[in-house]
Amino acid sequence: AQTVTQSQPEMSVQEAETVTLSCTYDTSENNYYLFWYKQPPSRQMILVIRQEAYKQQNATENRFSVNFQKAAKSFSLKISDSQLGDTAMYFCAFRGDNYGQNFVFGPGTRLSVLP
Amino acid sequence: EAQVTQNPRYLITVTGKKLTVTCSQNMNHEYMSWYRQDPGLGLRQIYYSMNVEVTDKGDVPEGYKVSRKEKRNFPLILESPSPNQTSLYFCASSLSGGLYEQYFGPGTRLTVT
Repeated sequence: AQTVTQSQPEMSVQEAETVTLSCTYDTSENNYYLFWYKQPPSRQMILVIRQEAYKQQNATENRFSVNFQKAAKSFSLKISDSQLGDTAMYFCAFRGDNYGQNFVFGPGTRLSVLP
Repeated sequence: EAQVTQNPRYLITVTGKKLTVTCSQNMNHEYMSWYRQDPGLGLRQIYYSMNVEVTDKGDVPEGYKVSRKEKRNFPLILESPSPNQTSLYFCASSLSGGLYEQYFGPGTRLTVT
């Protein structure tokens, strides 16, 4: 079974600074999909960024980028120019490419952006 | 507006009293799923459905039932709720296929006393 680990339960960063959230996973599949979701205090789940394992190029969405290291099974999220609105729980998620396509989420990292 | 709706948003009930949490999506998505969120554990998948009449267990299915009789609806049934099912529940939907985004409902806060 796949597992997703986020080793940083809580992090903080100063506004305008850069922060990196770590995520590692375990799988025997060769192709799969990785996601970062954000959950602000409103509890709404919001997709931040996604990556297909077959693609070597790291995904980027505005201030958000990932460092995908397939051999190391690592999928870290970098937030540049942090803003107060980035304060949230961040979840790393894995989705297999098998028939079931079940999702596995990590335990989350609580990020606080400080003014 | 494309959305996933869940009802009720908050529910307090007693042990053993059957309950249903409804989930509906208006995006014609094939894939639907239920999760529970607990502190320190993230979201754990309860059940998912690839299409009408096709459902399968996730990681934590014990104590839950689902059905998918229509494409838009995917209710979660707790036949005999217990206190360890106190949690925040999310329904989600997406197109089938790995990279498609899951759209989440607003969540249902369930307390079982």
